[in-house]
Amino acid sequence: DAKTTQPPSMDCAEGRAANLPCNHSTISGNEYVYWYRQIHSQGPQYIIHGLKNNETNEMASLIITEDRKSSTLILPHATLRDTAVYYCIVRSNAGNMLTFGGGTRLMVKP
Amino acid sequence: NAGVTQTPKFQVLKTGQSMTLQCAQDMNHNSMYWYRQDPGMGLRLIYYSASEGTTDKGEVPNGYNVSRLNKREFSLRLESAAPSQTSVYFCASSENPVQETQYFGPGTRLLVL
Repeated sequence: DAKTTQPPSMDCAEGRAANLPCNHSTISGNEYVYWYRQIHSQGPQYIIHGLKNNETNEMASLIITEDRKSSTLILPHATLRDTAVYYCIVRSNAGNMLTFGGGTRLMVKP
Repeated sequence: NAGVTQTPKFQVLKTGQSMTLQCAQDMNHNSMYWYRQDPGMGLRLIYYSASEGTTDKGEVPNGYNVSRLNKREFSLRLESAAPSQTSVYFCASSENPVQETQYFGPGTRLLVL
């Protein structure tokens, strides 16, 4: 599975949009981009995933560039409860494991 | 639905002791996984079970054994615990092993002295 690069930390004001970037320049054609988050001491929580097209669900939006070498997770109206470590994971449809890197520690501030 | 449950929540062991971590899911998922997370690190896969009756090694299997007892339950055993196995252990499940989202349990915090 391709490697991902994320900034180690970001801050966001409560109520504003949080835009979390992820670089996956070595992604191959059959690899999906997944986003999970881990709130302190809890198990990781699935957020969203996509292949080529932008995706949106009740939690977030995922924007994937046309060349698929990077993506952005958008939390449209961040709340204090969104403070967590966000993991961007690239995974093929033949893979069995999720490879978690360091993630981005998002701090939402009042 | 309870989702994925794990027992115990916390455990302290002495070096050389053995123990089994239990995991159960009530979502009728075919695949189950065991990960460990060391402080400040991402999760690493220990073992997984793609379907009932099968198990395979992940990234860090040494020192562990697993049993897929039935479709619901997947246990992780430490035969002779070592301080290097101090970690938080997460169990997860997914409907199928390929391209499916995984649902995680709350974790078991293990300290080996």
